[in-house]
Amino acid sequence: ETGVTQTPRHLVMGMTNKKSLKCEQHLGHNAMYWYKQSAKKPLELMFVYNFKEQTENNSVPSRFSPECPNSSHLFLHLHTLQPEDSALYLCASSQVIRGTSYNEQFFGPGTRLTVL
Amino acid sequence: GENVEQHPSTLSVQEGDSAVIKCTYSDSASNYFPWYKQELGKRPQLIIDIRSNVGEKKDQRIAVTLNKTAKHFSLHITETQPEDSAVYFCAARRGNTGKLIFGQGTTLQVKP
Repeated sequence: ETGVTQTPRHLVMGMTNKKSLKCEQHLGHNAMYWYKQSAKKPLELMFVYNFKEQTENNSVPSRFSPECPNSSHLFLHLHTLQPEDSALYLCASSQVIRGTSYNEQFFGPGTRLTVL
Repeated sequence: GENVEQHPSTLSVQEGDSAVIKCTYSDSASNYFPWYKQELGKRPQLIIDIRSNVGEKKDQRIAVTLNKTAKHFSLHITETQPEDSAVYFCAARRGNTGKLIFGQGTTLQVKP
């Protein structure tokens, strides 16, 4: 596998379920991101991790819980979601130089999430 | 707060014509402006970007212009082809953060 991969590609879950989305990057990058893409809305940044440390939390509800165990892997743990959380969840990665200079973001294919 | 406005939301052109998409940003500290293309069912892919120290950048049929004073930037596609049909997103970012703020997207349709 090359680039940024995401699993699963599709997920249907009930409001009481707990599930996790996984992202893996094979680009040697050190920053990773979660975005939410809903119909008729711009891409919304959710979280940013720089060298495994969370540097941005864009006022995301606590029912979304990110985890970044290393620079290549990023998870989004989901619990007690609402139907309005149904969306395409995109992961991205980029290289950060000297801790503050962020380069181009490469996106994964996304996980299409449906909450019933 | 930080905001990026993108217009138009939809654009239809004849093959061979030019297409222009415009974005306005609110954060005067923004210094990096990428454009992403997202084909139906696929991931967004960077097509061109510009930094605040230049006013224009070209890559074959694609060009981006930046007016820092007015806080707006534009994507220009010349000699459009059907394969240019996609959703195009602009974005703005402060250089020392990873926080990209995206515009609402423009659906471009190129008619053969």
